[in-house]
Amino acid sequence: NAGVTQTPKFRILKIGQSMTLQCAQDMNHNYMYWYRQDPGMGLKLIYYSVGAGITDKGEVPNGYNVSRSTTEDFPLRLELAAPSQTSVYFCASGEASNYGYTFGSGTRLTVV
Amino acid sequence: GNSVTQMEGPVTLSEEAFLTINCTYTATGYPSLFWYVQYPGEGLQLLLKATKADDKGSNKGFEATYRKETTSFHLEKGSVQVSDSAVYFCALSLNYGGSQGNLIFGKGTKLSVKP
Repeated sequence: NAGVTQTPKFRILKIGQSMTLQCAQDMNHNYMYWYRQDPGMGLKLIYYSVGAGITDKGEVPNGYNVSRSTTEDFPLRLELAAPSQTSVYFCASGEASNYGYTFGSGTRLTVV
Repeated sequence: GNSVTQMEGPVTLSEEAFLTINCTYTATGYPSLFWYVQYPGEGLQLLLKATKADDKGSNKGFEATYRKETTSFHLEKGSVQVSDSAVYFCALSLNYGGSQGNLIFGKGTKLSVKP
């Protein structure tokens, strides 16, 4: 049971570089989410998807893009990385809103 | 707007002490309520949940009751262990169309349990 798998676990980017954070789930969940976690600030929703081909913005989408070509995968793209994007990123998936979600182990990103 | 407020930490307790972490919420409609736990260096894990008023969620000795009249979902445990040291997040999920079930989190409460 892999659950939600995120790669990489750690990454250092230079300002202006781009990268893709990968997220894959093997539970056939329709709902998938990307959150960022900043110290003392809880988690903020970046983007979410309710199924393949459907994505929408969350609370803090600026500087990010997503795609959902399959049920399993939900990559998060950072274009032109900025120091403000230094954070820990969590991907999550779920069946329905009142079931709770399964989270990945996170990607710690530092932009210098 | 919809939000979750939980007590600020850190909370430091001795082993076998009683734990309460307060959580209150503001929401339109009737949310589902959750407690998640995050151990150092790991992702969040669902600890317990309640989907309607007066429901009690429980797991691993932790429990919380959905109180609609006080809009609260306080986490309690009768006797904490060192292994309970973690960050605890209260969260809500809205169940009406258009919300898509997004989780709204509190800022988290760090618990440290000393032997």
